[in-house]
Order: sequence, then structure tokens, then C-alpha cells
Amino acid sequence: QVQLQESGPGLVKPSETLSLTCTVSGGSISSYYWSWIRQPPGKGLEWIGYIYYSGSTNYNPSLKSRVTISVDTSKNQFSLKLSSVTAADTAVYYCAGDPYCGGDCLGYWGQGTLVTVSS
Amino acid sequence: SSELTQDPAVSVALGQTVRITCQGDSLRSYYASWYQQKPGQAPVLVIYGKNNRPSGIPDRFSGSSSGNTASLTITGAQAEDEADYYCNSRDSSGNHLYVFGTGTKVTVL
Repeated sequence: QVQLQESGPGLVKPSETLSLTCTVSGGSISSYYWSWIRQPPGKGLEWIGYIYYSGSTNYNPSLKSRVTISVDTSKNQFSLKLSSVTAADTAVYYCAGDPYCGGDCLGYWGQGTLVTVSS
Repeated sequence: SSELTQDPAVSVALGQTVRITCQGDSLRSYYASWYQQKPGQAPVLVIYGKNNRPSGIPDRFSGSSSGNTASLTITGAQAEDEADYYCNSRDSSGNHLYVFGTGTKVTVL
């Protein structure tokens, strides 16, 4: 059974860069699409972007200028970097993977990690 | 603003049927996937593609689509189905981007 686990700082200062890593276990990252999604407290889900294991990416246009998603197949990990953060970036960040749909659904999810942007 | 619109909340009596809808132009071309999220938990995929359920999802969950509207139906709702439900699909740009619906809170009475 594939499992995903997010890791990274829970507190980031305004204007700095948020960095999170998702470790994939129980299966190889060298297939499927891998995504990041976030959810501000009390609000809905927002798609951040995806990376294919080959390295091709696509990002939410509203975040594109600040987002980078990368993959490290040797470590079975993929990562998110979000620059110039503000309080509006405070959210639970989820990593997710698509085993079924060529990118069009998310069958594997991490438990999520809360990132707070505050000085 | 989200390109996929859902009703904010619906309620259903225990054992009855509830339909949750998701509207958006991109749904004329792409299927929606549906996610169940309970408080404090990660979302769970319940329906994908035309009408497919991942392993472990009860068959009381089903999906359908017509025109610009995708629907998730729970037939014989159970107390444990009380949750937030989100649809997800490609956006209308044609650039392989994705968007989530606004979410529907389902209350089982």
C-alpha cells in the first residue's frame, strides 16, 4: 500500500520560502503524477500543482510565479517550494498521487501538514 | 475564483438518497473526480472517471455527468457519510490545469 508523508517546518516567516517534502513509501515514485494541494483553515481545497515523475510540471496560474515542484527519484520524494509567503499562505498542505487517472484524480494522499506564516 | 461550483450544504435523512452537484464549463469535456473529507482528515477519493470507485469505497457512492454538471449520488446515506465533498477536474483553459469545486457539506439527519 502506497503511503505519503509530508515533512517540513510548521512555521515560516513572512517573505521567506516555504519548503515541504513528500516521501512516498510502499511504491515507486517513478510513475504517476504527484501533486500538492493546500487548504486554509476552515476553507476549501486549492490545487497548487503537479509533477510527473519525468520532471514535467504544471502549476496553478495564481501561484505560478512563486511555486516550484521538483522530484528526487533516488529518494522517492517530491518537494514544494513557495516563495515570498504571506499570512494568506497559512494552510494545511497535502501531497497526493494519482495511481488511476493519468493526472485526473488523486488516489493517494498524505495526512497533511499545517504551515503557519507568522513572524 | 473557482471554476467549479457546488452547493454549500445539503442534508439527507438516514437511509435516503442525496445528490451533490458540481457545475463548470470544463465538465463538458472532462470527468470530475470526487473527494470525501471528514474533519481533521485528509480527503479520500470516492469516485473517478465515468463512474469508478477505488477499492474500499462502498457501492452506495456513484457518479454521473450531463452537460456542464457532474453529480455524486449517495444511495442509502449512512451516518458515516456526513462530511465535506469536493469535486475536482481540469479547468477550462485546456492547459492540463486542475481546479477543485467549492465544496458541499453533507449532513445526515
